[in-house]
Amino acid sequence: DSGVTQTPKHLITATGQRVTLRCSPRSGDLSVYWYQQSLDQGLQFLIQYYNGEERAKGNILERFSAQQFPDLHSELNLSSLELGDSALYFCASSAGPNTGELFFGEGSRLTVL
Amino acid sequence: GQQVMQIPQYQHVQEGEDFTTYCNSSTTLSNIQWYKQRPGGHPVFLIQLVKSGEVKKQKRLTFQFGEAKKNSSLHITATQTTDVGTYFCAGPRRSQGNLIFGKGTKLSVKP
Repeated sequence: DSGVTQTPKHLITATGQRVTLRCSPRSGDLSVYWYQQSLDQGLQFLIQYYNGEERAKGNILERFSAQQFPDLHSELNLSSLELGDSALYFCASSAGPNTGELFFGEGSRLTVL
Repeated sequence: GQQVMQIPQYQHVQEGEDFTTYCNSSTTLSNIQWYKQRPGGHPVFLIQLVKSGEVKKQKRLTFQFGEAKKNSSLHITATQTTDVGTYFCAGPRRSQGNLIFGKGTKLSVKP
């Protein structure tokens, strides 16, 4: 158990819809990262928050947005969903702002039909 | 842009055989990390290498960081079925610090 909690574990929705994925970091960790894992595409970095502020942005689509709340949990919002958004979305946390060891949650599997 | 590449993409071995995966970065890295993802699971941190030429061992796993700090390898001696999974290397992006992951090497072990 990494200590990172992600919900929901599975989500099935239709094209054009909007979903929210939730992540609670490990106790004491201030950084939260979101990664997308598609088949054979490895782990694509989406965005990082540190202590409530956006710290780094990767290949995150404009249809996607995220935020980190005062209690340090984070949400990833995916809107106007397309079939290609089907993937496993991982949240990870680390103690500081610069990447040390990442602790990954179990992921949220999104299926867009 | 900055890239981290891994080869091979897939490796099938007989139990007891050795296995090596290689990681190459397009830029010099301040450190490199290795993660293992079991089938249906999430990535789990294995190790971080920081020094040029560093070699670290964890039981049957040997990790190396190249002299130029642009490449790394993971070698598993006498594979076991518990070694099955995808092994990822990752290095920090120069401009932002967040980790760039290689696409991973998927290891399957035949008993």
